[in-house]
Amino acid sequence: EVELVQSGGGLVQPGGSLRLSCTASGFTFGAYWMTWVRQAPGKGLEWVANIKEDGSQKFYLDSVEGRFTISRDNAENSLYLQMNSLRAEDTGVYYCMRDFNHQTNKWGDYWGQGSLVTVSS
Amino acid sequence: DIQMTQSPSTLSASVGDRVTITCRASQNTHTWLAWYQQKPGKAPKLLIYKASILESGVPSRFRGAGSETEFTLTISSLQPDDFATYYCQQYNSYSSGSFGQGTKVEIK
Repeated sequence: EVELVQSGGGLVQPGGSLRLSCTASGFTFGAYWMTWVRQAPGKGLEWVANIKEDGSQKFYLDSVEGRFTISRDNAENSLYLQMNSLRAEDTGVYYCMRDFNHQTNKWGDYWGQGSLVTVSS
Repeated sequence: DIQMTQSPSTLSASVGDRVTITCRASQNTHTWLAWYQQKPGKAPKLLIYKASILESGVPSRFRGAGSETEFTLTISSLQPDDFATYYCQQYNSYSSGSFGQGTKVEIK
C-alpha cells in the first residue's frame, strides 16, 4: 500500500527555520518526481516546490526561492523541505505529494497527511 | 508562469443535479491538467488526470474534458459525498504546477 507519512512542522517565530519530512512506502520512491504543496488557513492550494527523481533538478515558487530547499534521500525513501527565514505568510498546512511518473503520465495520486506550520511571534 | 482561473468560486446545487466547473489556463497546457476534490481537514484526492482520465476508484459520474486552455469537470448527478471543494492543477512543465483558486460545491 502506498503511503506518505509526514513529520515536522510546528510553531516558529518570524525569521526562524523548520524542516519538514515525508517518508514514502509501498512504491519505488526513486522513480517519481516529488512535490510540496501548501494551503494557508481558509485558502486554496499553492504549489511550493518539486524535485526530480534523482534530485538533479529542483524548482520553486518565486516567493520561497532562496529561503526554502527541497531535497530527497532515495536510499531512505524520504523527501524534505528545509524552510528558512520564515514569514507570517508561510503559515499553513504543508503536504507532500507523489508527482509525475513517466510510465503512467500521472501525478498527484498520493498525498501526505499534512503538516501545520505556524509562523508567529 | 501559467495562471489557472476556475469558475465559479462557489456553486450551490442539490443532490441529483448536474454540475460543471470550468478551469482556464493563461497558456496552452495541452492536456496536462488534473482535478482534485478536497474536504475540510483532509488532503486533496485525485479525481482526473491528463484532462480526462478517471483515476482508479473514482465514480464514473465524474468526467473531465478539454485541452489547451479550457477545461471542465462535470459531475453528472451530484451525490451527498460530493459536497466539497474542487481544484484544477496544470502540469505543463516541471518548473511549476499551479492550481486554480478552487470551487466550493455547497448544498442548495
